[in-house]
Amino acid sequence: SQKIEQNSEALNIQEGKTATLTCNYTNYSPAYLQWYRQDPGRGPVFLLLIRENEKEKRKERLKVTFDTTLKQSLFHITASQPADSATYLCAPANEKLTFGTGTRLTIIP
Amino acid sequence: GAVVSQHPSWVICKSGTSVKIECRSLDFQATTMFWYRQFPKQSLMLMATSNEGSKATYEQGVEKDKFLINHASLTLSTLTVTSAHPEDSSFYICSALFGGYTDTQYFGPGTRLTVL
Repeated sequence: SQKIEQNSEALNIQEGKTATLTCNYTNYSPAYLQWYRQDPGRGPVFLLLIRENEKEKRKERLKVTFDTTLKQSLFHITASQPADSATYLCAPANEKLTFGTGTRLTIIP
Repeated sequence: GAVVSQHPSWVICKSGTSVKIECRSLDFQATTMFWYRQFPKQSLMLMATSNEGSKATYEQGVEKDKFLINHASLTLSTLTVTSAHPEDSSFYICSALFGGYTDTQYFGPGTRLTVL
């Protein structure tokens, strides 16, 4: 069965540093992959979408890579800020999104 | 990004009653809407896919007679939890899709259901 793993349940990063989150998937060949941010008690907020024929996507301080050979996506936040603290979800997809359990990121001032 | 609303944001009900949750796409017509459920510290799990004017497609293990979905228009989908029980207590989240399946899903803020 499909399995989505996000590298760690929780990650603490010093403010100003780059936070790197990992998403690995098995038994799956997604055509695209999305990253979302979720704050406690709220629905996910879309951040970035990357397709299988794209290696990298950027949006402001965010960068996503997609390696279909390694079956892995990396999500980077550069110059991290305390406001970036949240749970980040990866969701590889074909017709439907399949969510990982998320990584709870805390940016320490 | 697109705006999706849900109503109510939270609801508390007695066991055995039915609860209706509305999901609206406010600034676009959604070809497809999805309903998810999220238990504490767990991932979002897809319950069903809803297309306007047709019957919803339920994921394996989701009881269609218990979770009734109506997609009356391109901007409104409703989820009714019938004869709710405490184990149905969860965070229910809808999303709306504009375009094809490889496009972005926009999520609502979620509805917290507590069944006493």
